[in-house]
Amino acid sequence: RKEVEQDPGPFNVPEGATVAFNCTYSNSASQSFFWYRQDCRKEPKLLMSVYSSGNEDGRFTAQLNRASQYISLLIRDSKLSDSATYLCVVKRDTGRRALTFGSGTRLQVQP
Amino acid sequence: DVKVTQSSRYLVKRTGEKVFLECVQDMDHENMFWYRQDPGLGLRLIYFSYDVKMKEKGDIPEGYSVSREKKERFSLILESASTNQTSMYLCASSWRPGASYGYTFGSGTRLTVV
Repeated sequence: RKEVEQDPGPFNVPEGATVAFNCTYSNSASQSFFWYRQDCRKEPKLLMSVYSSGNEDGRFTAQLNRASQYISLLIRDSKLSDSATYLCVVKRDTGRRALTFGSGTRLQVQP
Repeated sequence: DVKVTQSSRYLVKRTGEKVFLECVQDMDHENMFWYRQDPGLGLRLIYFSYDVKMKEKGDIPEGYSVSREKKERFSLILESASTNQTSMYLCASSWRPGASYGYTFGSGTRLTVV
């Protein structure tokens, strides 16, 4: 089983739609959580960190459910420019001091 | 902004060649990482380094080695390139692993081994 699992998609949504992605992680010792965005043939870039209390950045809202070990990303009022792959990322608080990436969920926003 | 620079954007090498991928960061970050990214598999950690001359194996170190002689430079070495090492290689750095600001990635090196 992968340490971080995501639905690969693609999610095809019209402009203005609200879309949500979920991600599950298997290691209960995971401590830090992030969403990264990766455009086609580009490097991943940090979209937002995910905090236990949930956090919002403009049209983007991230939630963490430690009990169920899943993370979500909600995008409201989707724009064409939101089309990308969204990577769920976790870090354990013990052992390897590096981030573990999910395979990504591809979003395609259509006009 | 932190800048992470990878020396080559595209590289084509022959099977059996020794290949060096270079990565330089300009923000005095302690931690540097090498990942490879393949379709359907996502990013997989090859090696990372948390200090000069220090290194740790990631999930898929076989066939690779690394060198970190200076803080700003982290090199990935393919001792004898094979076709299954054809991939996108991404270098990243961070001040502290897992810090809230995450990693900064270089733009990647797309390596093809023929």
